[in-house]
Amino acid sequence: GAVVSQHPSWVICKSGTSVKIECRSLDFQATTMFWYRQFPKQSLMLMATSNEGSKATYEQGVEKDKFLINHASLTLSTLTVTSAHPEDSSFYICSARTAWSTDTQYFGPGTRLTVL
Amino acid sequence: QKEVEQNSGPLSVPEGAIASLNCTYSDRGSQSFFWYRQYSGKSPELIMSIYSNGDKEDGRFTAQLNKASQYVSLLIRDSQPSDSATYLCAPQTSPWDTGRRALTFGSGTRLQVQP
Repeated sequence: GAVVSQHPSWVICKSGTSVKIECRSLDFQATTMFWYRQFPKQSLMLMATSNEGSKATYEQGVEKDKFLINHASLTLSTLTVTSAHPEDSSFYICSARTAWSTDTQYFGPGTRLTVL
Repeated sequence: QKEVEQNSGPLSVPEGAIASLNCTYSDRGSQSFFWYRQYSGKSPELIMSIYSNGDKEDGRFTAQLNKASQYVSLLIRDSQPSDSATYLCAPQTSPWDTGRRALTFGSGTRLQVQP
């Protein structure tokens, strides 16, 4: 149980375009989903927390107008990187928290974004 | 001061030995603690969680927690080459905000198990 999927697993795009990443909880309802970014040889940095049906809470320094997060259902959250630039190239990972385990987070496999 | 401190390593141990990974944290309000394993290029995988002071064993893994010292560790017995990965310590933070209750990740300790 507690499987989280992400799509796509990797994407290459041109600078200035927008990219949407989907995060799905496959066998449970996720009341809260988290989006992380990880640069090479660095740890995971939390970008934002999203609760189903509410606006996402962004971490300090994360531009909410650039990283659009939608959590429309209990099984799906999306992250849209708008007007992507090469410095946005990173490994984006989502995680989901189940309703029965208030702290445990289960991670998706990640999406590697490369902006040319 | 970093919120979560881990020795970056690499920690090198021979196959069959015990690997000891340590972590200190600054948020005294943290109540839940997690260890994740991350292979290169992959996302983190949950290894263990611990909530109370003392030891918690699960197979070859033992997590130890000392809230007074703000210290949590992970022991891996009979280390195998397949255990070679980066181990991330993640205390739960923001306990007062039940809608958020995020995890803060350390930078990780890279473990190398030599065959």
